Amino acid sequence: GAVVSQHPSRVICKSGTSVKIECRSLDFQATTMFWYRQFPKQSLMLMATSNEGSKATYEQGVEKDKFLINHASLTLSTLTVTSAHPEDSSFYICSAASSLLSGDFIDTQYFGPGTRLTVL
Amino acid sequence: SQQGEEDPQALSIQEGENATMNCSYKTSINNLQWYRQNSGRGLVHLILIRSNEREKHSGRLRVTLDTSKKSSSLLITASRAADTASYFCATDLKGNTGKLIFGQGTTLQVKP
Repeated sequence: GAVVSQHPSRVICKSGTSVKIECRSLDFQATTMFWYRQFPKQSLMLMATSNEGSKATYEQGVEKDKFLINHASLTLSTLTVTSAHPEDSSFYICSAASSLLSGDFIDTQYFGPGTRLTVL
Repeated sequence: SQQGEEDPQALSIQEGENATMNCSYKTSINNLQWYRQNSGRGLVHLILIRSNEREKHSGRLRVTLDTSKKSSSLLITASRAADTASYFCATDLKGNTGKLIFGQGTTLQVKP
């Protein structure tokens, strides 16, 4: 199956700093990438949908200026948590999907291994 | 808002027993998927069932889908200690956005 990587796998930062998380599809071209956040012992919450070459679409309640998403190529999307605070500490997971030429999505999304962010 | 509700929230069984987890959702779907997550790790895709399918098998996994009741179940037969994990259902909503909405998850513990 397709492989999606995330970097870093774990990051600890001071409050007020910005952190960038990379999501890469290693062996296929991902027209769309999704970013999720997962708090301890909770489910995944979709934060935003990122399409290559266009602005990300954010879910209700997610601050676009706080969580900057860039999808500059078909294999890379980045999530930058700006001015991070302790409440942003969470597990961030990306997934990648590919559209058929018809525009329909291939059913399966491929998930990255996640990035654990701890803000002190 | 979350689409799926899962029950039970937690399940503890002995190795060799079967485990059944249920998922309910609210709106029309293209498909429903089940994922496994080991503690602190990423998601592993287990099985996908389309809205026009009623049952699907993969190894020791059996998934059913009842679109009239907007519910699905995941059965793991002959469980092993290695099956200990959290299990999530996720719905791919009609409209072909590709967005997945996850249920709250069931934490399964299989005791050796």
